[in-house]
Amino acid sequence: VQLVQSGADVKKPGESLRISCQASGYTFSNYYIAWVRQKPGQGLEWMGFIYPGDSDTTYSPSFQGQVTISADKAINTVYLHWSSLGASDTAIYYCARQSRPYGDYEVFDFWGQGTLITVSS
Amino acid sequence: DIQMIQSPSSLSASVGDRVTITCRATKIISRYINWYQQKPGKAPQLLIYAGSTLQSGVPSRFSGSGYGTFFTLTIRSLQPEDLATYSCQQSHTAPHTFGQGTKLEIK
Repeated sequence: VQLVQSGADVKKPGESLRISCQASGYTFSNYYIAWVRQKPGQGLEWMGFIYPGDSDTTYSPSFQGQVTISADKAINTVYLHWSSLGASDTAIYYCARQSRPYGDYEVFDFWGQGTLITVSS
Repeated sequence: DIQMIQSPSSLSASVGDRVTITCRATKIISRYINWYQQKPGKAPQLLIYAGSTLQSGVPSRFSGSGYGTFFTLTIRSLQPEDLATYSCQQSHTAPHTFGQGTKLEIK
């Protein structure tokens, strides 16, 4: 299993951005993929996830309306999109696969390498 | 949202020490808690799930316990490679919130 994320980017406030997470080594449609934010020197924040099989998506209330998560099954890729970035979006963004190793216990068992997004004028 | 209150935020310990990190949930979450280790400059890695089950490959010096709202992660005999930030996560109710992390330094 591998999750490979797009590279770091520097954007200006108000610009749009889409970052990607390409999965391999397993059946892409069968596992949720989540996005997790980590601001500089801070903890992990669960943003939302998508089930690529049917594109069912759930967002944290903190991120609802701020970002859009989508998936392209043809190329085993999940995206995170902003229509208008702000300085507070400066962070590392991780994608992670959610699985159920036992019963209905859900974990992030594989992570991407992270994508650093810097928003600065 | 369920909040996960983790403590301490940082700690310093010596090789061989026993280290304990705690996490308190603001609602009852049974054993729906995971622990992750994040080494400097790296992505987090799963250590423990369902409160006390070690992920494959995790050394047995790591252990987890707790039920309901109070949970602990214990490192029995600290090793130099345990330098990392440790985070709890509840998987009881979406959003699956994380604690704010504990930065562990080696003296």
